[in-house]
This record gives sequence, C-alpha cells and structure tokens, in this order.
Amino acid sequence: DTAVSQTPKYLVTQMGNDKSIKCEQNLGHDTMYWYKQDSKKFLKIMFSYNNKELIINETVPNRFSPKSPDKAHLNLHINSLELGDSAVYFCASSQGTGGIDFGPGTRLTVT
Amino acid sequence: AQSVTQLGSHVSVSEGALVLLRCNYSSSVPPYLFWYVQYPNQGLQLLLKYTSAATLVKGINGFEAEFKKSETSFHLTKPSAHMSDAAEYFCAVSETGGGNKLTFGTGTQLKVEL
Repeated sequence: DTAVSQTPKYLVTQMGNDKSIKCEQNLGHDTMYWYKQDSKKFLKIMFSYNNKELIINETVPNRFSPKSPDKAHLNLHINSLELGDSAVYFCASSQGTGGIDFGPGTRLTVT
Repeated sequence: AQSVTQLGSHVSVSEGALVLLRCNYSSSVPPYLFWYVQYPNQGLQLLLKYTSAATLVKGINGFEAEFKKSETSFHLTKPSAHMSDAAEYFCAVSETGGGNKLTFGTGTQLKVEL
C-alpha cells in the first residue's frame, strides 16, 4: 500500500533516555514533516524537510534532531527525554498544493 | 501570520441531522484551507481542501465546505450525520499550499447520538 508509515506505534520510556522514531513515505513526495499533537489534541508543526533539506524548524528544543537520509525518509531522534515530551508525533508528507498526508502517529509516553 | 479558529470544541448532533462545524481563518495572503478528520487513536485523514478554485468544495464521506472570503470562513457541513462520523475534526490553513506548513485549529469533537 502507498502511505506514510512510522515506527514504533507506541513508545514508553523513562526520563533522560534517548529514543528515535522512524518515518517512511512511498508516495514520491518531496516534502516531509514532523508534527506534535499534545494531550489537548493541539497539532503543531516541528520540522519540515524538502528533498532532504531542512526548511522549517519551529523553535523546537535542540534535544530534537530530525534526520533525512533520503527524500523518502525522515527520522526523529530525541535526546534526554522529559515528561513534557509525552505526546503523539505524526510524520507527514506532501507534494505541491495537494494537502498533507499523515502517518498513523507514534504515541510517546515519558515516565 | 496565519491562524484558524474553530468555534465549539464539542458539537453534538442526532443521527440524520445536519452537521455544521465552524472554521474562521486569518491569512495575509489568499489561503489554502483544509479539513482533516481524526478517528480515535488514528492519524489524520484529509476530508477536503480549498485551493482557490471553486468556492464550494466537496470531500469524502458526504462532507462539503464553502469558502467565504467576505466572512473569512470555511465551515464544514454534511446534510445527514451518521454514527460513523463521530470523530475529531480539524480545520487548517496554509499560505503556500501543501508544500509549506499547516496551521491547525484546536479541533472540534463531533458526537452523533441516536
């Protein structure tokens, strides 16, 4: 199936740990994103990459580091996890003005 | 700067009744507007989008929305609600189309009652 996929779906970890979330899209899109959805369901963009190049970085703490090895992948690494990082993280992709396709989300719980 | 306001964080309708979810936008340039739906524990699915073509936009699952520049609105409607429509709905705006960031509203939880 063509889609945006991300792993893992659930991630439970302790404060201070480092974790990564992987994302892949096989839609042939040039632009990929990471969005964060907080406990009140508010969605906010974190990063955007176009053809592996960072184009948006929305004042995200530098503990968060995106990496795009190629235009089909955009991974998110988080260092020194904090309680406030608990959220659902969505990977997404787009091409032109057609709207953004979202992945299923990764629910991160920091204890 | 762009922004979206969704009036009513919770809307409840009876099955078969009209669904109306309100969205007002603010944008310094002609906007691109989107409605997304999120079912529990799932990702976001695009319902419909306005990209400066027809002002009345038809989407999936019987939903439609009308772009009204004079009212800076993009309300979502469906003539007859179904139980399966119960979900969270998000309005979003982009100033440069899908190739740039979406700014989301705070969402409206739609409840459909028998």
